Amino acid sequence: DIAMTQSPLSLSVTPGEPASISCRSSQSLLHNNGHNYLDWYLQKPGQSPQLLIYLGSSRASGVPDRFSGSGSGTEFTLKISRVEAEDVGVYYCMQALQTPRLTFGGGTKVEIK
Amino acid sequence: QLRLQESGPGLVKPSETLSLTCIVSGGTISISTYYWGWIRLPPGKGLEWIGSIYYSGSTAYNVSLESRLTMSVDTSKNQFSLKLNSVTAADTAVYYCGRHYFGSGITWGQGLLVTVSS
Repeated sequence: DIAMTQSPLSLSVTPGEPASISCRSSQSLLHNNGHNYLDWYLQKPGQSPQLLIYLGSSRASGVPDRFSGSGSGTEFTLKISRVEAEDVGVYYCMQALQTPRLTFGGGTKVEIK
Repeated sequence: QLRLQESGPGLVKPSETLSLTCIVSGGTISISTYYWGWIRLPPGKGLEWIGSIYYSGSTAYNVSLESRLTMSVDTSKNQFSLKLNSVTAADTAVYYCGRHYFGSGITWGQGLLVTVSS
């Protein structure tokens, strides 16, 4: 199974400032079709997780463009260009290369200063 | 629009069987593209994939749970189910059902809190 590791565990950010979360996989998530099978999710308090980014860098429908995903192989990053109050919650990366077997990172809790 | 709704008891006694059903509406469970899965969020911990099932009944389980886990699908009722036996307090979690396929993310249900306690 592919193991997923996120850092940092938590992040406190001033509104309007940028934020960055890292995710590392124990095996490459790059498929021979050229896509990286890495998703990012945000779980806001009291809600189900919501898809932010799929295939490493594709924004899901309705996701603000302040969210961006990058990386390839085993190293990935989620960036928020200007954090807003509504961005608080726990962020998870997830590998989908071994679909239907999925693995999540441990999560990064983002709070506002 | 696709909607998934978890149903089942919110309280299960230790050593008994946890049984949950996910009712799918706004789409058919029999489409060959998709997997239908269960994911849980224990209190104070992160998301854990439990297992997924294909419309044909083919399953994939988390190795840490597979000795206690059975998943099934009922295409006539457009729903799929989970049974986890010999539960302990460690199985207390919010249980989510979801739809996923290769490379396009998970569509989530709203979640159901299941507490294991006597």
